Amino acid sequence: QQQVKQSPQSLIVQKGGISIINCAYENTAFDYFPWYQQFPGKGPALLIAIRPDVSEKKEGRFTISFNKSAKQFSLHIMDSQPGDSATYFCAARPNTGTASKLTFGTGTRLQVTL
Amino acid sequence: GAGVSQSPSNKVTEKGKDVELRCDPISGHTALYWYRQRLGQGLEFLIYFQGNSAPDKSGLPSDRFSAERTGESVSTLTIQRTQQEDSAVYLCASRGTGASEQYFGPGTRLTVT
Repeated sequence: QQQVKQSPQSLIVQKGGISIINCAYENTAFDYFPWYQQFPGKGPALLIAIRPDVSEKKEGRFTISFNKSAKQFSLHIMDSQPGDSATYFCAARPNTGTASKLTFGTGTRLQVTL
Repeated sequence: GAGVSQSPSNKVTEKGKDVELRCDPISGHTALYWYRQRLGQGLEFLIYFQGNSAPDKSGLPSDRFSAERTGESVSTLTIQRTQQEDSAVYLCASRGTGASEQYFGPGTRLTVT
């Protein structure tokens, strides 16, 4: 049973546009929600993360929006650039501390065109 | 400092053979994770080591899979009698004590023919 559902599977955005990737979860024990960026041939790298005590977190062009009641969170990439073309994974971890394992979404392949 | 390293970067093996994959975590990181990433899919948790505690093996798909870690250093993931469905990228990640972020290695691409 997939605990974190991610959509869309793939996304094409023009340079300068906004890329939006959505994730939904069911486990109310989740309390840490990171997004990872993965380039071909590389391991995933942490991009930005949020905890449920805030509804939004922004770091540069990247913003996480979090809706606790709907159990949804999304990644927004503003002014998308060709260098942002990568696969993005959302993830979630329960509130039993850092020892808990992450549950990942299935990934979104983003392509930013010129 | 150096990040997480994994070896080999690519491994092609025949069905039925055993393989060993190696992970060198970031120095001082007490936690180490193994994940499997099948083509076009998300990361699937396999096993987690935390210091000298008993590992969390809840993600291992079968008894053909095992992993070891000596103290807070190198870990090896062993797959016995490999099957074609074992073909995937195997990723290792490490995490410092009390930290949330997991740092991933580049992975080992395993192809079983």
